[in-house]
Amino acid sequence: AQRVTQPEKLLSVFKGAPVELKCNYSYSGSPELFWYVQYSRQRLQLLLRHISRESIKGFTADLNKGETSFHLKKPFAQEEDSAMYYCALSGRSNTGKLIFGQGTTLQVKP
Amino acid sequence: DVKVTQSSRYLVKRTGEKVFLECVQDMDHENMFWYRQDPGLGLRLIYFSYDVKMKEKGDIPEGYSVSREKKERFSLILESASTNQTSMYLCASSLWVAGANVLTFGAGSRLTVL
Repeated sequence: AQRVTQPEKLLSVFKGAPVELKCNYSYSGSPELFWYVQYSRQRLQLLLRHISRESIKGFTADLNKGETSFHLKKPFAQEEDSAMYYCALSGRSNTGKLIFGQGTTLQVKP
Repeated sequence: DVKVTQSSRYLVKRTGEKVFLECVQDMDHENMFWYRQDPGLGLRLIYFSYDVKMKEKGDIPEGYSVSREKKERFSLILESASTNQTSMYLCASSLWVAGANVLTFGAGSRLTVL
């Protein structure tokens, strides 16, 4: 079965501390993995995708096929990073169907 | 530059009423989706459509139907609303970019069923 698990509902850190939001997946095949973010009163939007191997707003995520994980990391959290983060998985087709995790609220305290 | 528009931000309906949630995208995307967003459950796919008049069930289609008569418009229908359908509903459309689909979301429609 295809599944995305984000074990933490809430992650609270102080400004300047490192951040790691965990994401584990279950998928038979080669998935595409994404992180989406929703800031307060804003639309859900793409943060980054593993296929691009990019760093966005200081965040990176590495696909670990052995551990079936796609954790989101940032070395120094900023207050403006406070948001809801969703990990998502897609199969290799062009229908775009995404399976989302439960979401993790990141709270960065001053 | 709003690209995915959901017609209603907030709706309050009574149990048993028929509810229409409308979504329009102006990006000429083939694929469109309806998700519901609930705290602790994340986003769950209700239905999606990969072409005009084509639709597929998602993970939680029970109690819902959809309509896609034109490429830009994807409607979600609750034939007889129930209190457990109180939720935030998100519409999205997608484009295939560099080997992966990227979803663009609407602002959401918060439905309360009394």
